[in-house]
Amino acid sequence: AQSVTQLDSQVPVFEEAPVELRCNYSSSVSVYLFWYVQYPNQGLQLLLKYLSGSTLVKGINGFEAEFNKSQTSFHLRKPSVHISDTAEYFCAVSVPTGGGNKLTFGTGTQLKVEL
Amino acid sequence: AAGVIQSPRHLIKEKRETATLKCYPIPRHDTVYWYQQGPGQDPQFLISFYEKMQSDKGSIPDRFSAQQFSDYHSELNMSSLELGDSALYFCASSLFKRDYGYTFGSGTRLTVV
Repeated sequence: AQSVTQLDSQVPVFEEAPVELRCNYSSSVSVYLFWYVQYPNQGLQLLLKYLSGSTLVKGINGFEAEFNKSQTSFHLRKPSVHISDTAEYFCAVSVPTGGGNKLTFGTGTQLKVEL
Repeated sequence: AAGVIQSPRHLIKEKRETATLKCYPIPRHDTVYWYQQGPGQDPQFLISFYEKMQSDKGSIPDRFSAQQFSDYHSELNMSSLELGDSALYFCASSLFKRDYGYTFGSGTRLTVV
């Protein structure tokens, strides 16, 4: 079975500073990787996804992530954060099966952007 | 653009009562997923449906059941509610095997008292 580890439960950062949220996965087969953002009392919004091809994936709101197969990582980055980026960020993995595309989530990283 | 619609947004039930949560997928989407997110926890996959048939099953208690109807909306039925069932319940929809990143609805917050 696949799993996801988000190493940091909280990441404080000042506005306009760069940020990296770490995600490592474990799977014996090829996987699809995702990052979701959750604002307070809201649903999960897809930031970006890696299915195949280029290992650098660009998403919405200026976020990007790089798939590193040898390190089994899929870290999320943003060169300059804004106060509105304060939210919970979840890394997720899925293994394509005949049954669909269920996601296994990490435990989340709370990004807190301070002035 | 139309999104996934869930109802109700909030629901308060007493222990041992029954609750029904509804999910209306994005038009033309044929697959529905249900997830449960406990307080301060990551979302956990419960169950999914494709073309009105159960396609995958996760950590869904036997007290819960779900189905997808002919118009593709889905309902999650929860019986004999327990305090531990208090959580956010999310629904998501996609096109089967063509849509590998889906956006969730805003969720139903169930509180069992």
